[in-house]
Amino acid sequence: DIQMTQSPSTLSASVGDRVIITCRASQSISSWLAWYQQKPGKAPKLLIYDASSLESGVPSRFSGSGSGTDFTLTIGSLQPDDFATYYCQHYINYPLTFGGGTKVEIK
Amino acid sequence: EVQLVESGGGLVQPGGSLRLSCAASGFTFTDHYMDWVRQAPGKGLEWVGRTRNKANSYTTEYAASVKGRFTVSRDVSKNSLYLQMNSLKTEDTAVYYCVRCTVSPLARTGQYFSYMDVWGKGTTVTVSS
Repeated sequence: DIQMTQSPSTLSASVGDRVIITCRASQSISSWLAWYQQKPGKAPKLLIYDASSLESGVPSRFSGSGSGTDFTLTIGSLQPDDFATYYCQHYINYPLTFGGGTKVEIK
Repeated sequence: EVQLVESGGGLVQPGGSLRLSCAASGFTFTDHYMDWVRQAPGKGLEWVGRTRNKANSYTTEYAASVKGRFTVSRDVSKNSLYLQMNSLKTEDTAVYYCVRCTVSPLARTGQYFSYMDVWGKGTTVTVSS
């Protein structure tokens, strides 16, 4: 199974900050990686697919990069609505696996 | 509007069974892979199982933790996805999400790398005596 490791697990930031979340796969997954945002009590929401493609309707301050084993999700200027937990997930083979999540908190 | 609505969650004793349903609307149900993903209280996301699309004969895949106990199926006449859960354990307690998957535009002919693009609101399953 491919292990997905996210860091940090918790991040404290202020509105307007640039935030970077990293995700590392235990083996190469090419660009078959997605990022999701989840708010408390809500379902996850797709932000990025194919490592760097922005889902329709997602603000352009979100961006993704990377390929192979190392990936990043960047929030260009953190907004109040962005305080949430973020997950990465690969979809190259089975079982599909998620990272452990990164909680972005208000500083 | 694309929509997924889960139902069927509840309280069940260890060793019991439960069947979750997911009503899909707003898209061509037979074209898409469909997943179940769960989230235990206070924990992260865990993929449970998948049914492929019509082009791939609706075949299924499962996480090791549920293989042999859970079955994913769909009724295309009702645009519905199901998760039959048998031999339930306390560790199956979670919110269960129905998820639509879409094939990546980067996938070549014959490849079906799919990301999870639409999620239902979830239904809660509690396994406890």
